[in-house]
Amino acid sequence: EADIYQTPRYLVIGTGKKITLECSQTMGHDKMYWYQQDPGMELHLIHYSYGVNSTEKGDLSSESTVSRIRTEHFPLTLESARPSHTSQYLCASSEHRTDYGYTFGSGTRLTVV
Amino acid sequence: SQQGEEDPQALSIQEGENATMNCSYKTSINNLQWYRQNSGRGLVHLILIRSNEREKHSGRLRVTLDTSKKSSSLLITASRAADTASYFCATVLTGGFKTIFGAGTRLFVKA
Repeated sequence: EADIYQTPRYLVIGTGKKITLECSQTMGHDKMYWYQQDPGMELHLIHYSYGVNSTEKGDLSSESTVSRIRTEHFPLTLESARPSHTSQYLCASSEHRTDYGYTFGSGTRLTVV
Repeated sequence: SQQGEEDPQALSIQEGENATMNCSYKTSINNLQWYRQNSGRGLVHLILIRSNEREKHSGRLRVTLDTSKKSSSLLITASRAADTASYFCATVLTGGFKTIFGAGTRLFVKA
C-alpha cells in the first residue's frame, strides 16, 4: 500500500477554488487511473493514462483534468470546485499486462463547502 | 444487473465463521479480481483468477469462477474481526481494455 502516494489525505475548500490532487507511484507502472467513490458506493473511473503524454476520460463525466508528464506522477485538477465534487478520489496504477491487479493509494477525501 | 454486481450488499457474522460473497457479471472476461477496502482507505488487491481457471486459494481466501454462469464467489474461512471491510470484485473485460468494479459487499465480523 505504501508504493502509491496521494496528497492531501483530507481537503476542505470553498466553492470556486482551484485544486490539484497529487498522485505519485514508485513502481514504474505504465497505467494510472483516477476513480471517484462516494461512501459505501462503487468506484467510477474518471480518468486514465496508459503512459507519458497519454490521458483519456473515463466513464463518469467529470469537470476535472489530468496530466501525465512523468511516468510516476498523475495529478488531477479541478479548475472550479463545487459542492457536487465532494467525494473520495482514489488513484491507482498497474502494469501494462492485463492479468495484473491494481495498486491503490489511500485516497483524498474532498469536501467542498 | 450491472457488470460486476456483488451479493449480498452486507453480511454480518461471528468471528470464526466463514463468509461467502458472490459476484455476477454480464460480458466475457479476461480475469476477475477481488479487492478489500477498509473504511476510508484505498482498495487492496487480494486475488486474481483468470477466465480459464476455476478455483484459486490464498491463505484463508478461496475464489471460484464459473464462466458458464458468469459468476464468482469469495470465501473467507475462519473470519476474524480484522476482516471487517468492504469487498469488491473487478472484472477485466476480454481484450483487457476495461476494468469494472462492483458496488461491494460490506462484511462485519463480530468478536
